[in-house]
Amino acid sequence: RKEVEQDPGPFNVPEGATVAFNCTYSNSASQSFFWYRQDCRKEPKLLMSVYSSGNEDGRFTAQLNRASQYISLLIRDSKLSDSATYLCVVPSGGGADGLTFGKGTHLIIQP
Amino acid sequence: DTGVSQDPRHKITKRGQNVTFRCDPISEHNRLYWYRQTLGQGPEFLTYFQNEAQLEKSRLLSDRFSAERPKGSFSTLEIQRTEQGDSAMYLCASSSMSYEQYFGPGTRLTVT
Repeated sequence: RKEVEQDPGPFNVPEGATVAFNCTYSNSASQSFFWYRQDCRKEPKLLMSVYSSGNEDGRFTAQLNRASQYISLLIRDSKLSDSATYLCVVPSGGGADGLTFGKGTHLIIQP
Repeated sequence: DTGVSQDPRHKITKRGQNVTFRCDPISEHNRLYWYRQTLGQGPEFLTYFQNEAQLEKSRLLSDRFSAERPKGSFSTLEIQRTEQGDSAMYLCASSSMSYEQYFGPGTRLTVT
């Protein structure tokens, strides 16, 4: 299994719909997980941190399934401004302090 | 603006030339990271500093790459004898004690 794996999409979703995508990771020792959002030709911006079973922030919910080694991101009532690439991120592990990024899932919200 | 800043934002250079990029982290952050990102990929970790100490380097960081953080504040990343394969976005990030990293706008390098 790749270290961090995501479906690259694109996911084309009508405005107002709910969309969810998953990310699988290989390092079973990971204790913290992150979702970053990246707009075209911009830097990644931290969207959510997940330290336990999940986290919720407004329309965004992240859930962690340690047994199956995946995390999911759910976006409710999607807005046009949610169109972006969503990067799943896991600490690299093995005593390293870097982060391992997935390739990202491209989301397009359509009017 | 008290976020992470990077300079220059864009750099075009000819193959074989040396280039140097600068990163200024968020002032209270003691950890500083360099990443490289190419089109369609997520950022790839290059190296990491805690204060002025370089604690980790990726195997992606060939001997043509060197990074410094002399006073534990700003950092520089130098690429010697650039190759076309070095063309990428070079991202700097900083953090305090947690894994939550905050990224600068990046330096886009094009090697012709």
